[in-house]
Amino acid sequence: EAQVTQNPRYLITVTGKKLTVTCSQNMNHEYMSWYRQDPGLGLRQIYYSMNVEVTDKGDVPEGYKVSRKEKRNFPLILESPSPNQTSLYFCASTPLGGVDTQYFGPGTRLTVL
Amino acid sequence: GIQVEQSPPDLILQEGANSTLRCNFSDSVNNLQWFHQNPWGQLINLFYIPSGTKQNGRLSATTVATERYSLLYISSSQTTDSGVYFCAVVGMNRDDKIIFGKGTRLHILP
Repeated sequence: EAQVTQNPRYLITVTGKKLTVTCSQNMNHEYMSWYRQDPGLGLRQIYYSMNVEVTDKGDVPEGYKVSRKEKRNFPLILESPSPNQTSLYFCASTPLGGVDTQYFGPGTRLTVL
Repeated sequence: GIQVEQSPPDLILQEGANSTLRCNFSDSVNNLQWFHQNPWGQLINLFYIPSGTKQNGRLSATTVATERYSLLYISSSQTTDSGVYFCAVVGMNRDDKIIFGKGTRLHILP
């Protein structure tokens, strides 16, 4: 089954404790991206990747890092989480450079205390 | 960057009613998609429709690229149609990023 998976689905952590949210897709898509969703602000892109070892900033990259060592994986790293990073996070993948239908993961609800 | 406006922001309808959701965008786009976020938070693709008309069951969408808007039609609404509907666009420039509208929250009453 074609899908995008994220882990964990729910996470409560404390300020400053490094965490990683994993994202994996099994569709051999080149383009992957991370979004955060906040009430009243909709979805905003954090980072995206056009292919392996190619990453770029989205609209709200501050406080986040990503890596794309393999085509299927695109982890989101919060080196020192802060309460303003409490949000619902989505990973997505697309076959053709972002100009095509996006497939979203199930979401990760992160709370930073 | 491109501005995306969706209307109405909220819509409450009785089961069986029809609805039209609108997405206006401020510049030419290379990509336009409609998504449904269900009450459990899951985001589901509905249409990839940078221009023209598509239909999928009770849902259809039309994008008039020259006039910079897209419409999503839902006919014979069911309670499972409840949730938030997002429009997302990508501009024509190489460096343009995907921009989401703030969504239309649809609540279908039984």
